[in-house]
Amino acid sequence: DTGVSQDPRHKITKRGQNVTFRCDPISEHNRLYWYRQTLGQGPEFLTYFQNEAQLEKSRLLSDRFSAERPKGSFSTLEIQRTEQGDSAMYLCASSSDGEGTEAFFGQGTRLTVV
Amino acid sequence: AQSVTQPDIHITVSEGASLELRCNYSYGATPYLFWYVQSPGQGLQLLLKYFSGDTLVQGIKGFEAEFKRSQSSFNLRKPSVHWSDAAEYFCAVKGTGGFKTIFGAGTRLFVKA
Repeated sequence: DTGVSQDPRHKITKRGQNVTFRCDPISEHNRLYWYRQTLGQGPEFLTYFQNEAQLEKSRLLSDRFSAERPKGSFSTLEIQRTEQGDSAMYLCASSSDGEGTEAFFGQGTRLTVV
Repeated sequence: AQSVTQPDIHITVSEGASLELRCNYSYGATPYLFWYVQSPGQGLQLLLKYFSGDTLVQGIKGFEAEFKRSQSSFNLRKPSVHWSDAAEYFCAVKGTGGFKTIFGAGTRLFVKA
């Protein structure tokens, strides 16, 4: 198992364009999370999937953001009409079921909106 | 609501010196507690975790942390720092029965020769 994989690692886009990121979790993990991290801050929770069901969305996730996990395996995070304030590192993590299980993180996708 | 406070934005220690990074949490009961490390441009790697039992937990790379319920603290320690330990360190909390992990703002560690 190679851990959590994210693609692309870096993305530069013009303001107003749409972008999509992909996350492949650890294969046996049912839980998948998206976080956003800005410079000098810790990761902020965005959303959570239990298998294919999206069970919680943070209020940080505006209507321009959408996440899917269609078959309970990989997940995508799409940002429509990007704004400069969307520039951040987007981290994906996965974990197994059970109390207190730790999240395993991917290396993140660095988004720069110009 | 759960929250995590890391009072030190950055810390500088000399190589070979001891290290302590502070973490305080806010939660109604005893949560699950974690320390993660992040190198520049990378994801987060778990150093150690506390669930229950012995309040002194050992982690990877020679790190340990002590849970103190009375102080709502979970400080990270290392007896002798190596230059390769320079990175950002995040304390995190997860509530019992919960699923999401809440992170502190992080402490950046600088190691001087």
